This record gives sequence, structure tokens and C-alpha cells, in this order.
Amino acid sequence: GQNIDQPTEMTATEGAIVQINCTYQTSGFNGLFWYQQHAGEAPTFLSYNVLDGLEEKGRFSSFLSRSKGYSYLLLKELQMKDSASYLCAVREGDSNYQLIWGAGTKLIIKP
Amino acid sequence: NAGVTQTPKFRVLKTGQSMTLLCAQDMNHEYMYWYRQDPGMGLRLIHYSVGEGTTAKGEVPDGYNVSRLKKQNFLLGLESAAPSQTSVYFCASSHERTGNNQPQHFGDGTRLSIL
Repeated sequence: GQNIDQPTEMTATEGAIVQINCTYQTSGFNGLFWYQQHAGEAPTFLSYNVLDGLEEKGRFSSFLSRSKGYSYLLLKELQMKDSASYLCAVREGDSNYQLIWGAGTKLIIKP
Repeated sequence: NAGVTQTPKFRVLKTGQSMTLLCAQDMNHEYMYWYRQDPGMGLRLIHYSVGEGTTAKGEVPDGYNVSRLKKQNFLLGLESAAPSQTSVYFCASSHERTGNNQPQHFGDGTRLSIL
């Protein structure tokens, strides 16, 4: 069946580094998205991986291993504004509507 | 730069009432989507549209109807609201180009409570 697993909640300290994991089991794979969602707001796009390896974008990096069905989002130099939920979504087929979403990881940043 | 606009932002309905949620995008996107987001669950696709005049069912379509008469607008209707439809509803849109990583762009959501 289709399944995407993420930790429900994580806590980290301002200025530190945190890694949010996502494992997936889907019928197909054509890319993985990470989104950020602040409480009460819309999800906003962070990153996209379709090939194995690390994609770096400023303080945020995303890694993918297709053979392991695994991705992580790495956040460096954490800031209080990084407190949010982080959503992992897998694109199963050729079309964008075939996204399977994880339940999200709530990240709490402490001073 | 409006992006994706949803109206209303909040609404309280009584069981059995009907209403329409409106979504408008100004990015000339081909694809549009309606999701619901419930605590502890991932976004679930209700209906989607791949172009003007076309709609299709997603994962949880029962109790909802949609229409896309114009490319920029996607309407979600609840014919007879039920408490199980209490949720946050998100509209999203995207370009659809094969081989490209086209992210979905989301509206701010509609918080709907059914009493």
C-alpha cells in the first residue's frame, strides 16, 4: 500500500541543526517534495528531489535515497521562525496530482 | 502578487446546509486541486482539475462536488454538510510540464466547522 512516515514532533534549539526524516512506500516514484507550513497558514514549497543525493538551498538541504525509500530535510542554524510543520510528499506518477502526503513533522524551536 | 486566493477564510455551518468554497489563481496554472487537512493526517485530495471544463475525483470525493468553468477558478461545493466535513480546506494550483519539478502553490485555507 501507499505510506509515508514522518516523526510527529521534534524539538531543537535555536542555532542548532535538525534532521527530519521521511520514509515512503508508494506504488511509483517520480520525485519527492518538502513543504513548510506555519500554524494556521498555507504550505509553502521548500525543495524537490528526484535523483539520489543532496540538494542544498541556503540553510535547508534535502537528501534522497530511492533504493531505501528515504529522504531527510536538514535545517541548519535554526531560527525561531523555523518553528513550523514540515510536510513530505511523494509524486507517484507522471502527473502532479498524484502526490501522496505525509502527516507532517511539527518542529519546535527553543531558545 | 495574489497567487492562490480562497474565500471565505472561516465558516460555520449547520448540518444539512450547503455552501461553495471559492478558489482563484492568477498564475495561469493548468492544474488545480482541493485538499482537506485534518489533525494527524496528511493532506487528502478531494477533487482536481487538469484544465478548464474538466474535473476528476481524488482520494476522498464523497459529499463534495466541483466545477471549473474558467481556467483561473475552481469551486468546491458541499451539497449537504455533515460534521465529518469539519476540516481545513486548501486549494492549490500548479503548472503541469512533464519532466519538470512543478510544485503546487497553496491558498491560505478555509476553516470550516459543521455543527
